[in-house]
Amino acid sequence: DVKVTQSSRYLVKRTGEKVFLECVQDMDHENMFWYRQDPGLGLRLIYFSYDVKMKEKGDIPEGYSVSREKKERFSLILESASTNQTSMYLCASLRLDTDTQYFGPGTRLTVL
Amino acid sequence: QQQVKQSPQSLIVQKGGISIINCAYENTAFDYFPWYQQFPGKGPALLIAIRPDVSEKKEGRFTISFNKSAKQFSLHIMDSQPGDSATYFCAARRGATNKLIFGTGTLLAVQP
Repeated sequence: DVKVTQSSRYLVKRTGEKVFLECVQDMDHENMFWYRQDPGLGLRLIYFSYDVKMKEKGDIPEGYSVSREKKERFSLILESASTNQTSMYLCASLRLDTDTQYFGPGTRLTVL
Repeated sequence: QQQVKQSPQSLIVQKGGISIINCAYENTAFDYFPWYQQFPGKGPALLIAIRPDVSEKKEGRFTISFNKSAKQFSLHIMDSQPGDSATYFCAARRGATNKLIFGTGTLLAVQP
């Protein structure tokens, strides 16, 4: 079974802090994704990585950056957290032969 | 053109009834249409998916109906059970990419 883990289930940060969200997958998938989930808005793609050191902006990249130094790890960085970044953050990795995205359990981030 | 519109926002069904969730899209370049199921506290998981060359796909109690000319697709859950209570997301893949656009989600409650 594919396993996608996220470093924290809950996180509380202050406005202006730098925040790192970590995601690790154990299936050697090339493609990884970061989404945020907000009520009434569904899942929105923040960033996407299709290989080590390769990244592409999603639909809402403003205020975020990412890092992919190793194939199994994809990090989301909030350079200066703001209250409007309070949300549920979901990481996923893609199994290409079945077109299946496997999601982690999510990190609920609160920015005060 | 990049949106996937999902309805209803919430749905209450009696045990044994049929649950129907609808999605519509505009972009004819979408080439893959999955449905994801999310239980509270968990990440979404792939439930069933369809490609536009078929009009229906059935897996157990779950069926996707696809109408290419109307640019609509729907999820039908037959004999709905309390264990089906979850949030359901439709999605569409942008052709030639691995990126999904998700609908806004439907919260389904199946009453015993």
